[in-house]
Amino acid sequence: QEQLVQSGTEMKKPGASVRISCQASGYNFTGHYLHWVRQAPGRGLEWMGWINPLTGDTDFAQKFQGWVTLSRDTSITTAYMELRSLKSDDTAIYYCARDKARWAKLGHFLGASDVWGPGTTVSVSS
Amino acid sequence: DIQMTQSPVSLSASAGDTVTLRCRASQDIDKFLNWYQHKPGKAPKLLIYGATFLESGVPLRFTGSGSGTDFTLTITSLRTEDFATYFCQQSYNESLTFGQGTRLEIK
Repeated sequence: QEQLVQSGTEMKKPGASVRISCQASGYNFTGHYLHWVRQAPGRGLEWMGWINPLTGDTDFAQKFQGWVTLSRDTSITTAYMELRSLKSDDTAIYYCARDKARWAKLGHFLGASDVWGPGTTVSVSS
Repeated sequence: DIQMTQSPVSLSASAGDTVTLRCRASQDIDKFLNWYQHKPGKAPKLLIYGATFLESGVPLRFTGSGSGTDFTLTITSLRTEDFATYFCQQSYNESLTFGQGTRLEIK
């Protein structure tokens, strides 16, 4: 069964960093891009960035450039997202999501996410 | 960034109704448009990709159409499990963006 399993709830103080993991199983981890999406309370979905697990290449939405890092460890089919300098409005549920197309070795993605992790709640409060 | 605008923001309907949700892009995105269903406490679910392609396992009562800047998601014969928030997402360029969502509520 193709699935993504994410790490558990995090409670952080403003200014701290958090790292969320996303472990893939049931499919070729390096075959599909992974996207990261968040949803703040009462808000819509916000795409944050992607990683090509095969090459480690990443890209981000402009607002996240410079303070979000995406990485992966192919030996344990796990991707990571680190957010630094957390603020209260970073309180959200963070999702990893697999790109539907198996095009990672081509350096392309479809942009539609067909397998999602359950989400990781990050709460930022003093 | 490409801006995605959904309408209406919320919609009330009854089981058995047919509803149409709309999504407009701030520029031509060809058919690079995806639709998701999102329920509280659950991960989003892909319904439609490439504007018109039904994701595997998604009921045929969901239909996507459109190209360029204007897109629709039509749900026929609404069932109780369809009441959720629906998001469109453009994948025309490498910086993906979502619409703000349409909340479909039971009348």
